[in-house]
Amino acid sequence: GAVVSQHPSWVICKSGTSVKIECRSLDFQATTMFWYRQFPKQSLMLMATSNEGSKATYEQGVEKDKFLINHASLTLSTLTVTSAHPEDSSFYICRAARGTSYEQYFGPGTRLTVT
Amino acid sequence: GESVGLHLPTLSVQEGDNSIINCAYSNSASDYFIWYKQESGKGPQFIIDIRSNMDKRQGQRVTVLLNKTVKHLSLQIAATQPGDSAVYFCAETYTGRRALTFGSGTRLQVQP
Repeated sequence: GAVVSQHPSWVICKSGTSVKIECRSLDFQATTMFWYRQFPKQSLMLMATSNEGSKATYEQGVEKDKFLINHASLTLSTLTVTSAHPEDSSFYICRAARGTSYEQYFGPGTRLTVT
Repeated sequence: GESVGLHLPTLSVQEGDNSIINCAYSNSASDYFIWYKQESGKGPQFIIDIRSNMDKRQGQRVTVLLNKTVKHLSLQIAATQPGDSAVYFCAETYTGRRALTFGSGTRLQVQP
């Protein structure tokens, strides 16, 4: 099946710094990428949807100036958590969609810990 | 709206038993449903999907049942194995929307 990678798999950063998480579709072109956040023992919450070459669409309550999403190519989307705070500590997961179908693949996730 | 789970219900079964995991959804417009398995520290893994024009779909050792009348979805796992231990999420969407809304999840613990 299709492969989606995320980098880094885990990161620890200090409060106030910014962290960039990459999501790559390794063997297909992802026209749309979705970013989810998952707190411990909770479900996945959709943060934003990004289409290649367009601005991301953010879900209600998600600060677009804090969570910067870039989808500059059909194989790479990045999520930058700016001025991170401890409450941003979470598991961030991307999901890449192939074409216009529902065929979609999750990345392995990135564990962010802000100290 | 998005589903938020504050506590993960747990289903504990003996190895070899059948497991049934349930999910209720709220959007009557949803017409496509997926079950995912998530192991600790990993991304969700696709198990099986079903469209609203069906009420049952079978895969290898898994069956998904859909009851649109009461907006209920279930995942049945036959002959549950220790490797099935994980958190299971249902997800829903509707035609024209490609983002998924996730249910709150159920932790399945398989006792050897």
